[in-house]
Amino acid sequence: GQQLNQSPQSMFIQEGEDVSMNCTSSSIFNTWLWYKQDPGEGPVLLIALYKAGELTSNGRLTAQFGITRKDSFLNISASIPSDVGIYFCAGLSNFGNEKLTFGTGTRLTIIP
Amino acid sequence: DTGVSQDPRHKITKRGQNVTFRCDPISEHNRLYWYRQTLGQGPEFLTYFQNEAQLEKSRLLSDRFSAERPKGSFSTLEIQRTEQGDSAMYLCASSRDRLTYNEQFFGPGTRLTVL
Repeated sequence: GQQLNQSPQSMFIQEGEDVSMNCTSSSIFNTWLWYKQDPGEGPVLLIALYKAGELTSNGRLTAQFGITRKDSFLNISASIPSDVGIYFCAGLSNFGNEKLTFGTGTRLTIIP
Repeated sequence: DTGVSQDPRHKITKRGQNVTFRCDPISEHNRLYWYRQTLGQGPEFLTYFQNEAQLEKSRLLSDRFSAERPKGSFSTLEIQRTEQGDSAMYLCASSRDRLTYNEQFFGPGTRLTVL
C-alpha cells in the first residue's frame, strides 16, 4: 500500500539537541497526525494538524501543516532520553475518508 | 479515558490454524479501525467500522480475513488458515464520530507469529 516519504530514516543525536523531521506526499492531505511508537507498543498520538500553514505545539514538540498540503514537519527541542523511538506521520486525504496513510517512520536514537 | 485495549498481546500459531483477536475501543468512540504493521514499516489500513457497520475494507484484507463489530462496541478480527506472511502486528484504533478533528487513538497491538 501507499506510504508517505519520511526523512531522515534514522537520526543519532546527543541529549539536549534539537530534532527536525519531515513527511512528504505526492497527493494532498486535509489532516496530518504525528505519532510516536515504542518497541512492541502501538503508536501514541503526539500532535494533530487540520489547516494548511497551521503551526501547533505540544510541550517540546512543534509540528507544521505544509502550505501545499503535501507535507508536514515535526520538531523536537532539547531532546531527552524518553524521546527515543520511531516517529510516524499520517495523513487523511478527505474528510469522511477514514483511512490513515502512514509514513515510513523516522527512528530517533540518543547517543549517551 | 481507559484507552484502546487489545487481546491477546502476543499470539504464536502454526500455519493453517485460525486465530481471533479482540479490540475494545475507547468507550465513547463510534469508529473503530484495524491496521497491520510489518517490521520496519508504518501501519497499513485494513478496515473500519462506524458503530456496527463495516464501511471500508482494504485490498490487503483477503478472503481469509474477517472482522466484526456486532454490537457496535468491541470488535474481533479473525484470520483463517494462517500463512507465514500473516505474521505482523495487528493494531486497533478508535475515534469519535466527527467529520473533522478525527484523531485516531491506537491500542497496544497484537503481535502474531505464524510458524
